[in-house]
Amino acid sequence: GAVVSQHPSRVICKSGTSVKIECRSLDFQATTMFWYRQFPKQSLMLMATSNEGSKATYEQGVEKDKFLINHASLTLSTLTVTSAHPEDSSFYICSARIGDQGNTIYFGEGSWLTVV
Amino acid sequence: GQQVMQIPQYQHVQEGEDFTTYCNSSTTLSNIQWYKQRPGGHPVFLIQLVKSGEVKKQKRLTFQFGEAKKNSSLHITATQTTDVGTYFCAGHYYGGGSQGNLIFGKGTKLSVKP
Repeated sequence: GAVVSQHPSRVICKSGTSVKIECRSLDFQATTMFWYRQFPKQSLMLMATSNEGSKATYEQGVEKDKFLINHASLTLSTLTVTSAHPEDSSFYICSARIGDQGNTIYFGEGSWLTVV
Repeated sequence: GQQVMQIPQYQHVQEGEDFTTYCNSSTTLSNIQWYKQRPGGHPVFLIQLVKSGEVKKQKRLTFQFGEAKKNSSLHITATQTTDVGTYFCAGHYYGGGSQGNLIFGKGTKLSVKP
């Protein structure tokens, strides 16, 4: 079946640095990818919707200059957390929608970011 | 690794019929969450179950968490066309510290025939 791969699964970075998280659809083309953030034991919070070849649509309250999303190809979307701070430490997960299978979406494995 | 199995993958029902989707985990869960994705949309959080044997209701939706905290179900009574969508469960595993991962099932796609 379809697989969405996220990398890295865990990353630790220093305050003030930037970190990039990749979301890849391994055997299908994803016209739309979603980025979520989850605080410990809470539900997912949609951060942005990423469409291939166009600018991401951010949810209210999400800083687009802080969380840069690039969806340069049909198989790859990236989330870059810029000038990271400890409060950005969280679980980030992506999901991808298959363009030719209607509304089927698949989730990545998630990425744990710890900012020290 | 940890997995959350969700069945069935698809379910087609006549409007007014009931619908149930099940999630099973091989290991004990800290909690389980349920999401609904409407066609063309993104998964939206429905509910979180934490306690062993917990049962919660939201109108026609009944959510259960097994006694062993390894399985969960979502039951919809008398489905309506507005129930159409994909229902995902997501299990939160006990992990080191607060970094337990949320593992999603593959979802059950519900279609409702008027």
